[in-house]
Amino acid sequence: DAGVIQSPRHEVTEMGQEVTLRCKPISGHNSLFWYRQTMMRGLELLIYFNNNVPIDDSGMPEDRFSAKMPNASFSTLKIQPSEPRDSAVYFCASSLYRRGRAWETQYFGPGTRLLVL
Amino acid sequence: KNEVEQSPQNLTAQEGEFITINCSYSVGISALHWLQQHPGGGIVSLFMLSSGKKKHGRLIATINIQEKHSSLHITASHPRDSAVYICAVTPRSSGSARQLTFGSGTQLTVLP
Repeated sequence: DAGVIQSPRHEVTEMGQEVTLRCKPISGHNSLFWYRQTMMRGLELLIYFNNNVPIDDSGMPEDRFSAKMPNASFSTLKIQPSEPRDSAVYFCASSLYRRGRAWETQYFGPGTRLLVL
Repeated sequence: KNEVEQSPQNLTAQEGEFITINCSYSVGISALHWLQQHPGGGIVSLFMLSSGKKKHGRLIATINIQEKHSSLHITASHPRDSAVYICAVTPRSSGSARQLTFGSGTQLTVLP
């Protein structure tokens, strides 16, 4: 299994530009999570999907951020317009959720390192 | 006050030493996780606990639900164990929102 795949691995852009981060979860997994990691705030959950449906987006910082999951094998996180404070590492993770279980192991992608100038 | 507190923030050990990293949390939880973040940035899930103890190789994770405390132990530490170890919890109040709340991490450096 290839694991969770994220692209690009690195992104440098200028303030005001649109940024799109991509994630391919592990085949067969039904839950997908987007996280952001910064030095100041550590790891934070932005949004997660269950069976392609967004369940909780309370961690999305503001309207400039949006996430979609058009099918079980692909998700995007978009920032428009980007700002320097969005600079961070963005991780995607997937898991196989079974009803009735308190939790399940999440498998993380390698992350996308975003720098907004 | 953060819901998840880790200690120490930084830890340097000599190869072969027994290492303990602590995690305390202030909310009721469904599960607690220990994650390892490698120097290159990749994150690996080590353990998921809701009670008792789990062991995998040289790693041992324990949890005391009553005291809201968990420990991660590394026996016979090795330089390749050098990484950031992150504690995370799923608050019971999260309901269907299976959120993870993260600690700030412990930077472990094991010297040869």
